[in-house]
Amino acid sequence: NAGVTQTPKFQVLKTGQSMTLQCAQDMNHEYMSWYRQDPGMGLRLIHYSVGAGITDQGEVPNGYNVSRSTTEDFPLRLLSAAPSQTSVYFCASSLLGTSGNTIYFGEGSWLTVV
Amino acid sequence: AQSVTQLDSHVSVSEGTPVLLRCNYSSSYSPSLFWYVQHPNKGLQLLLKYTSAATLVKGINGFEAEFKKSETSFHLTKPSAHMSDAAEYFCVPGGSGGYQKVTFGTGTKLQVIP
Repeated sequence: NAGVTQTPKFQVLKTGQSMTLQCAQDMNHEYMSWYRQDPGMGLRLIHYSVGAGITDQGEVPNGYNVSRSTTEDFPLRLLSAAPSQTSVYFCASSLLGTSGNTIYFGEGSWLTVV
Repeated sequence: AQSVTQLDSHVSVSEGTPVLLRCNYSSSYSPSLFWYVQHPNKGLQLLLKYTSAATLVKGINGFEAEFKKSETSFHLTKPSAHMSDAAEYFCVPGGSGGYQKVTFGTGTKLQVIP
């Protein structure tokens, strides 16, 4: 059971480039989300989804797009990378239904924008 | 809505001494509460969770937490710190509204001194 898988683990981008961070889960979780983690700021929610075809914005959505065409996959797209998007990105998933469901995290993707 | 406050941003203990990481919650109803651990350059891993069952919750690696309604607290403890416990710890409220839109704070960084 792979859990939540993120790729790539490390990426360096030039300002203005676009890229997609991939996230896949094999637990049939309805809920998936993307966070970014910056020093001293904890984890901040970028976008989330409660099922295929349904996405919504989190706390810091600007500069990012998401889509959810399948239950398993939830890619995060950077449209035009900026140095402010240098961060560590985490994908997470969980079941819906109750507030006691565990959130499972991927191992993270380290992104540097130069 | 639920929220939590981690009372210490950094905690330093000597190896072999007890660990106490403090978390207070604010909720108008009985909450679900989680502790997650993040080791350097890794994703977050569930340590333990409280979901209105037993008030003393045992987790992995010898950690436990006690839900105290009278004090609105959910402090994380371990009798004897190990070097491998050095990590960042997050106290997290469960989601509300039928799905999880969980917010993470800045956590508590635990330093273990040999």
